[in-house]
Amino acid sequence: RKEVEQDPGPFNVPEGATVAFNCTYSNSASQSFFWYRQDCRKEPKLLMSVYSSGNEDGRFTAQLNRASQYISLLIRDSKLSDSATYLCVVTRGGADSWGKLQFGAGTQVVVTP
Amino acid sequence: DTAVSQTPKYLVTQMGNDKSIKCEQNLGHDTMYWYKQDSKKFLKIMFSYNNKELIINETVPNRFSPKSPDKAHLNLHINSLELGDSAVYFCASSQDFGEFAYNSPLHFGNGTRLTVT
Repeated sequence: RKEVEQDPGPFNVPEGATVAFNCTYSNSASQSFFWYRQDCRKEPKLLMSVYSSGNEDGRFTAQLNRASQYISLLIRDSKLSDSATYLCVVTRGGADSWGKLQFGAGTQVVVTP
Repeated sequence: DTAVSQTPKYLVTQMGNDKSIKCEQNLGHDTMYWYKQDSKKFLKIMFSYNNKELIINETVPNRFSPKSPDKAHLNLHINSLELGDSAVYFCASSQDFGEFAYNSPLHFGNGTRLTVT
């Protein structure tokens, strides 16, 4: 089982609609969680950190469910510029994993006019 | 511009050659990384340096040798290139490391697309 798993998509979303997707992680000792965004043939950029209580940043809402070991990202009122691949990132837990980030392969979102 | 810059952007070379990729950050960060993104889009950490000291060395063939002359630079030298080395290599930096990484996002360079023929 991969340490971080994501539905690769693509999620085709009409402009203005809401889209949500999850990411599951296998290591229950993971401490920190992030969503990064990667545009086609570009570098990844931090979208938002994910806090235990859930957090919002404008149209983006992230949730963490430790019991079921997944995080989620919801995008409201989708814009064409939201089209990208969204990477789930988890810090590995355990004594030997200090500081190591584990990236998922990404979920592709395509927002259509 | 403050940024993480890496060169070259594209690198096409033949099997068996030796090549280097350079990375520089002027963000004043203490930690730098090399990541490899393969055709399946997984980003995997290869190396990490904190203040010029190697702190992460994942299971990477010893044909790959990082060098950090100072904390603003982390170069990657690859010997005897193989077909399987074809990938996009990203340099990144962060202010903090480890337990402090939560508030210290990674800043990536724009990648070096390596093609080995």
